[in-house]
Amino acid sequence: GNSVTQMEGPVTLSEEAFLTINCTYTATGYPSLFWYVQYPGEGLQLLLKATKADDKGSNKGFEATYRKETTSFHLEKGSVQVSDSAVYFCALSPSNNAGNMLTFGGGTRLMVKP
Amino acid sequence: EADIYQTPRYLVIGTGKKITLECSQTMGHDKMYWYQQDPGMELHLIHYSYGVNSTEKGDLSSESTVSRIRTEHFPLTLESARPSHTSQYLCASSEGDWVGLPLHFGNGTRLTVT
Repeated sequence: GNSVTQMEGPVTLSEEAFLTINCTYTATGYPSLFWYVQYPGEGLQLLLKATKADDKGSNKGFEATYRKETTSFHLEKGSVQVSDSAVYFCALSPSNNAGNMLTFGGGTRLMVKP
Repeated sequence: EADIYQTPRYLVIGTGKKITLECSQTMGHDKMYWYQQDPGMELHLIHYSYGVNSTEKGDLSSESTVSRIRTEHFPLTLESARPSHTSQYLCASSEGDWVGLPLHFGNGTRLTVT
Protein backbone atom coordinates (compact mmCIF):
# COMPACT_ATOMS: atom_id res chain seq x y z
CA GLY A 1 0.00 0.00 0.00
CA ASN A 2 0.88 3.67 -0.01
CA SER A 3 2.71 5.22 2.89
CA VAL A 4 4.56 8.38 3.90
CA THR A 5 7.31 8.52 6.51
CA GLN A 6 8.46 11.78 8.08
CA MET A 7 11.19 12.51 10.56
CA GLU A 8 9.88 12.59 14.09
CA GLY A 9 9.80 15.83 15.97
CA PRO A 10 9.80 18.08 17.65
CA VAL A 11 12.40 19.96 15.69
CA THR A 12 13.66 22.94 17.66
CA LEU A 13 15.65 25.66 15.88
CA SER A 14 16.79 29.17 16.53
CA GLU A 15 15.51 31.97 14.33
CA GLU A 16 17.36 32.22 10.98
CA ALA A 17 18.58 28.62 11.15
CA PHE A 18 18.36 26.27 8.17
CA LEU A 19 15.47 23.81 8.19
CA THR A 20 15.21 20.34 6.71
CA ILE A 21 12.30 18.00 7.38
CA ASN A 22 12.77 14.61 5.74
CA CYS A 23 9.95 12.84 3.94
CA THR A 24 10.06 9.55 2.05
CA TYR A 25 7.20 7.71 0.46
CA THR A 26 6.11 4.34 -0.86
CA ALA A 27 3.71 4.25 -3.79
CA THR A 28 3.39 2.72 -7.22
CA GLY A 29 3.64 4.86 -10.31
CA TYR A 30 4.04 8.60 -10.05
CA PRO A 31 2.09 10.07 -7.14
CA SER A 32 1.61 13.77 -6.53
CA LEU A 33 3.40 15.00 -3.42
CA PHE A 34 2.40 17.74 -1.00
CA TRP A 35 3.49 19.57 2.11
CA TYR A 36 0.75 20.90 4.36
CA VAL A 37 1.20 23.11 7.42
CA GLN A 38 -1.00 23.25 10.51
CA TYR A 39 -0.72 26.30 12.75
CA PRO A 40 -1.95 26.02 16.36
CA GLY A 41 -5.72 25.75 16.58
CA GLU A 42 -6.23 25.64 12.83
CA GLY A 43 -6.80 23.16 10.04
CA LEU A 44 -4.22 22.18 7.45
CA GLN A 45 -3.13 24.56 4.71
CA LEU A 46 -1.38 23.59 1.50
CA LEU A 47 2.22 24.83 1.62
CA LEU A 48 3.56 23.48 -1.67
CA LYS A 49 3.22 20.60 -4.09
CA ALA A 50 4.92 18.76 -6.94
CA THR A 51 3.17 16.53 -9.42
CA LYS A 52 6.03 14.88 -11.35
CA ALA A 53 9.59 13.76 -10.85
CA ASP A 54 12.22 16.52 -10.54
CA ASP A 55 9.55 19.19 -10.01
CA LYS A 56 10.35 21.70 -7.28
CA GLY A 57 7.51 23.12 -5.25
CA SER A 58 8.09 26.41 -3.46
CA ASN A 59 6.14 28.87 -1.33
CA LYS A 60 6.93 31.40 1.42
CA GLY A 61 10.64 30.53 1.29
CA PHE A 62 10.01 26.79 1.65
CA GLU A 63 11.11 24.37 -1.08
CA ALA A 64 10.85 20.66 -1.79
CA THR A 65 12.03 18.65 -4.79
CA TYR A 66 10.31 15.49 -5.99
CA ARG A 67 13.07 12.85 -6.15
CA LYS A 68 11.80 9.70 -7.82
CA GLU A 69 15.12 7.86 -7.50
CA THR A 70 15.17 8.23 -3.71
CA THR A 71 11.35 8.41 -3.28
CA SER A 72 11.80 11.56 -1.25
CA PHE A 73 10.27 15.02 -0.92
CA HIS A 74 12.29 16.78 1.78
CA LEU A 75 11.14 20.20 2.97
CA GLU A 76 13.76 22.95 3.29
CA LYS A 77 13.92 26.60 4.26
CA GLY A 78 17.05 28.68 4.38
CA SER A 79 16.15 30.91 7.31
CA VAL A 80 13.25 30.07 9.62
CA GLN A 81 11.21 32.58 11.58
CA VAL A 82 9.31 32.27 14.84
CA SER A 83 6.10 32.47 12.79
CA ASP A 84 7.06 29.20 11.04
CA SER A 85 6.40 27.30 14.27
CA ALA A 86 3.74 24.77 13.32
CA VAL A 87 3.19 21.12 12.45
CA TYR A 88 4.23 20.08 8.94
CA PHE A 89 2.68 17.14 7.10
CA CYS A 90 4.02 15.41 4.01
CA ALA A 91 1.35 13.73 1.89
CA LEU A 92 0.89 11.85 -1.35
CA SER A 93 -1.94 11.32 -3.79
CA PRO A 94 -1.50 8.17 -5.89
CA SER A 95 -1.48 8.51 -9.65
CA ASN A 96 -4.58 6.31 -9.97
CA ASN A 97 -6.50 8.16 -7.29
CA ALA A 98 -9.64 9.61 -8.87
CA GLY A 99 -11.00 10.40 -5.43
CA ASN A 100 -8.00 12.60 -4.67
CA MET A 101 -7.59 11.05 -1.26
CA LEU A 102 -4.34 11.83 0.47
CA THR A 103 -2.09 9.60 2.52
CA PHE A 104 -0.39 11.67 5.21
CA GLY A 105 2.80 11.24 7.14
CA GLY A 106 2.70 11.44 10.91
CA GLY A 107 3.54 15.15 11.05
CA THR A 108 6.63 16.96 12.33
CA ARG A 109 6.31 19.72 14.91
CA LEU A 110 8.68 22.65 14.34
CA MET A 111 9.46 25.07 17.16
CA VAL A 112 11.47 28.19 16.32
CA LYS A 113 12.94 30.17 19.20
CA PRO A 114 13.80 33.87 18.96
CA GLU B 1 -8.31 31.51 1.74
CA ALA B 2 -10.52 28.41 1.58
CA ASP B 3 -14.18 28.81 2.47
CA ILE B 4 -14.88 25.70 4.47
CA TYR B 5 -16.47 25.99 7.88
CA GLN B 6 -16.77 23.61 10.77
CA THR B 7 -18.94 23.98 13.85
CA PRO B 8 -18.61 23.77 16.72
CA ARG B 9 -14.89 24.46 17.23
CA TYR B 10 -14.92 22.76 20.63
CA LEU B 11 -17.41 20.30 22.10
CA VAL B 12 -17.41 18.58 25.48
CA ILE B 13 -20.18 16.04 26.01
CA GLY B 14 -21.04 13.08 28.18
CA THR B 15 -20.93 9.44 27.19
CA GLY B 16 -23.98 8.18 25.31
CA LYS B 17 -24.98 11.50 23.77
CA LYS B 18 -25.77 11.86 20.08
CA ILE B 19 -23.79 14.56 18.33
CA THR B 20 -23.49 16.03 14.84
CA LEU B 21 -20.41 17.85 13.63
CA GLU B 22 -21.19 20.34 10.91
CA CYS B 23 -19.11 21.03 7.80
CA SER B 24 -20.02 23.41 5.01
CA GLN B 25 -18.15 24.74 2.01
CA THR B 26 -19.06 27.55 -0.35
CA MET B 27 -16.72 26.61 -3.20
CA GLY B 28 -19.05 24.19 -4.97
CA HIS B 29 -16.58 21.32 -4.56
CA ASP B 30 -17.89 17.85 -5.33
CA LYS B 31 -15.43 15.90 -3.18
CA MET B 32 -15.51 16.15 0.59
CA TYR B 33 -13.68 14.28 3.32
CA TRP B 34 -13.57 13.74 7.09
CA TYR B 35 -10.24 13.11 8.78
CA GLN B 36 -9.71 12.14 12.40
CA GLN B 37 -6.57 13.56 13.98
CA ASP B 38 -5.36 11.78 17.07
CA PRO B 39 -3.38 13.46 19.87
CA GLY B 40 -0.16 12.28 18.26
CA MET B 41 -1.12 14.42 15.24
CA GLU B 42 -1.55 11.55 12.78
CA LEU B 43 -4.41 11.98 10.31
CA HIS B 44 -6.77 9.17 9.33
CA LEU B 45 -9.42 9.32 6.61
CA ILE B 46 -12.74 8.13 8.06
CA HIS B 47 -15.31 9.18 5.42
CA TYR B 48 -15.43 10.70 1.96
CA SER B 49 -17.96 11.70 -0.66
CA TYR B 50 -17.72 12.16 -4.42
CA GLY B 51 -20.89 14.25 -4.55
CA VAL B 52 -24.53 14.39 -3.55
CA ASN B 53 -25.87 11.06 -2.29
CA SER B 54 -22.38 9.54 -2.38
CA THR B 55 -20.67 8.45 0.86
CA GLU B 56 -17.88 5.97 1.45
CA LYS B 57 -15.90 4.78 4.45
CA GLY B 58 -12.24 5.64 4.64
CA ASP B 59 -9.14 3.81 5.75
CA LEU B 60 -9.86 4.00 9.47
CA SER B 61 -12.95 2.24 10.74
CA SER B 62 -15.24 4.68 12.51
CA GLU B 63 -18.55 4.35 14.34
CA SER B 64 -19.60 7.69 12.92
CA THR B 65 -21.87 8.16 9.91
CA VAL B 66 -22.10 10.89 7.30
CA SER B 67 -24.63 12.19 4.81
CA ARG B 68 -24.40 14.30 1.65
CA ILE B 69 -27.81 15.64 0.74
CA ARG B 70 -26.49 18.97 -0.54
CA THR B 71 -23.21 19.70 -2.30
CA GLU B 72 -22.13 22.24 0.28
CA HIS B 73 -22.96 20.28 3.43
CA PHE B 74 -21.27 17.12 4.81
CA PRO B 75 -22.24 16.52 8.46
CA LEU B 76 -20.79 13.76 10.62
CA THR B 77 -22.92 12.07 13.28
CA LEU B 78 -22.08 9.94 16.31
CA GLU B 79 -25.21 8.18 17.61
CA SER B 80 -23.71 7.39 21.01
CA ALA B 81 -20.47 9.13 21.90
CA ARG B 82 -17.80 7.33 23.92
CA PRO B 83 -14.49 8.50 25.44
CA SER B 84 -12.66 6.65 22.64
CA HIS B 85 -14.22 9.17 20.21
CA THR B 86 -12.27 12.00 21.83
CA SER B 87 -10.23 13.51 19.00
CA GLN B 88 -9.99 16.36 16.55
CA TYR B 89 -12.14 16.01 13.43
CA LEU B 90 -11.10 17.83 10.26
CA CYS B 91 -13.34 18.34 7.24
CA ALA B 92 -11.88 18.98 3.79
CA SER B 93 -12.98 19.44 0.19
CA SER B 94 -11.43 19.43 -3.26
CA GLU B 95 -12.53 20.28 -6.77
CA GLY B 96 -12.41 18.30 -9.95
CA ASP B 97 -10.91 14.96 -10.82
CA TRP B 98 -7.27 15.81 -11.38
CA VAL B 99 -5.05 13.99 -8.91
CA GLY B 100 -2.78 16.92 -8.10
CA LEU B 101 -5.46 19.27 -6.81
CA PRO B 102 -5.06 20.26 -3.16
CA LEU B 103 -7.47 19.68 -0.32
CA HIS B 104 -8.97 22.67 1.49
CA PHE B 105 -9.41 22.11 5.22
CA GLY B 106 -11.67 23.60 7.83
CA ASN B 107 -10.32 24.60 11.24
CA GLY B 108 -11.57 21.41 12.85
CA THR B 109 -13.81 20.40 15.74
CA ARG B 110 -12.10 19.28 18.90
CA LEU B 111 -14.38 16.72 20.58
CA THR B 112 -14.00 15.58 24.18
CA VAL B 113 -16.26 12.83 25.49
CA THR B 114 -16.31 12.49 29.26
